[in-house]
Amino acid sequence: GDSVTQMEGPVTLSEEAFLTINCTYTATGYPSLFWYVQYPGEGLQLLLKATKADDKGSNKGFEATYRKETTSFHLEKGSVQVSDSAVYFCALSINDMRFGAGTRLTVKP
Amino acid sequence: SAVISQKPSRDICQRGTSLTIQCQVDSQVTMMFWYRQQPGQSLTLIATANQGSEATYESGFVIDKFPISRPNLTFSTLTVSNMSPEDSSIYLCSVDRQTVDTQYFGPGTRLTVL
Repeated sequence: GDSVTQMEGPVTLSEEAFLTINCTYTATGYPSLFWYVQYPGEGLQLLLKATKADDKGSNKGFEATYRKETTSFHLEKGSVQVSDSAVYFCALSINDMRFGAGTRLTVKP
Repeated sequence: SAVISQKPSRDICQRGTSLTIQCQVDSQVTMMFWYRQQPGQSLTLIATANQGSEATYESGFVIDKFPISRPNLTFSTLTVSNMSPEDSSIYLCSVDRQTVDTQYFGPGTRLTVL
């Protein structure tokens, strides 16, 4: 069935470091792809999305490109901040929404 | 996006009791969803609630345990019945809006069952 596999965490980085969180998907069709972020004690917030191959989603300095050839949607940010500390979920939507396991990011000053 | 509120934000309940969680949206939406997020885990869809029809439950979730109401296009409730400590989770409602494949989430209800 349709599924999402995310890089396991936790990930710990120093402030201003480069971030990559890997996400690959399996789908019998052409899903939309998403990154959601969950800050401590809060619900999920949509961070970015892409609906077709080669689309790039971007928001708050985060980017992810829909790569059909590698079935991937890796999340990147050039310079992380302490305030980016959160759990990040990759997700796909085709008939319903499927979430990855989540990757906890901690950014230290 | 949509503004979604949930009540209560958190609760501590005794085994065997029931809790009803409310989800309110700032505008009319077709589909509302209820998820469970167990500690340290990802989200699991409990059911989809459409106005005017019975909720559709995912495998492993039953109406007797998680009854859902959807009286109008801006409101839904999820009841967690006859609770046990295994029901301790964050319960999240979500809606789709603007495009059918994008969901927006409420802040969640953190439930602890003793």
